[in-house]
Amino acid sequence: DAKTTQPNSMESNEEEPVHLPCNHSTISGTDYIHWYRQLPSQGPEYVIHGLTSNVNNRMASLAIAEDRKSSTLILHRATLRDAAVYYCILREGYQKVTFGTGTKLQVIP
Amino acid sequence: EPEVTQTPSHQVTQMGQEVILRCVPISNHLYFYWYRQILGQKVEFLVSFYNNEISEKSEIFDDQFSVERPDGSNFTLKIRSTKLEDSAMYFCASREAGHSTDTQYFGPGTRLTVL
Repeated sequence: DAKTTQPNSMESNEEEPVHLPCNHSTISGTDYIHWYRQLPSQGPEYVIHGLTSNVNNRMASLAIAEDRKSSTLILHRATLRDAAVYYCILREGYQKVTFGTGTKLQVIP
Repeated sequence: EPEVTQTPSHQVTQMGQEVILRCVPISNHLYFYWYRQILGQKVEFLVSFYNNEISEKSEIFDDQFSVERPDGSNFTLKIRSTKLEDSAMYFCASREAGHSTDTQYFGPGTRLTVL
């Protein structure tokens, strides 16, 4: 799997937007960018994915750089429930999910 | 919303005993996975299963491990002779066939404690 680089941790104030960065300079043309998160004591949870265009869903937005070497997960209004480890993962097709260490997001009330 | 379920939520066993962890994937999903997470470490892939066969396994998934889909709803992970180092959270995941971007849905996990 192509490698991704994420900050180990980030903080955000509650009800403010959060931008979680991910670098993936060795991404191949067929790699999808997936984001999962893992809330404390829970299983990983799918958040969003994209290939080239920016994507929005009910949980978050994904902004993908034009050269695809980086992406940003955007939580529009962080809540306490968003405190989790966020994983940026590159996947081609039907492969297993390979988790890194992710970014631990702390949301401050 | 459909979800993956796992039982038991916590299993305590003695070293050398056999354990079976159970999962009920989302009903129309055809691809199944097991992952584990040792406390404080990354989530690690163990095995993937499709059409009653293992399609991929990691080096962790040795002869002590086996998987089975005994009926139309359950997917099980068996550890024949548990070791202390098997203590971990075990997550089951499933995905829908034919979904080109392959979103996997994870269960809440079973915490296995080997004494």
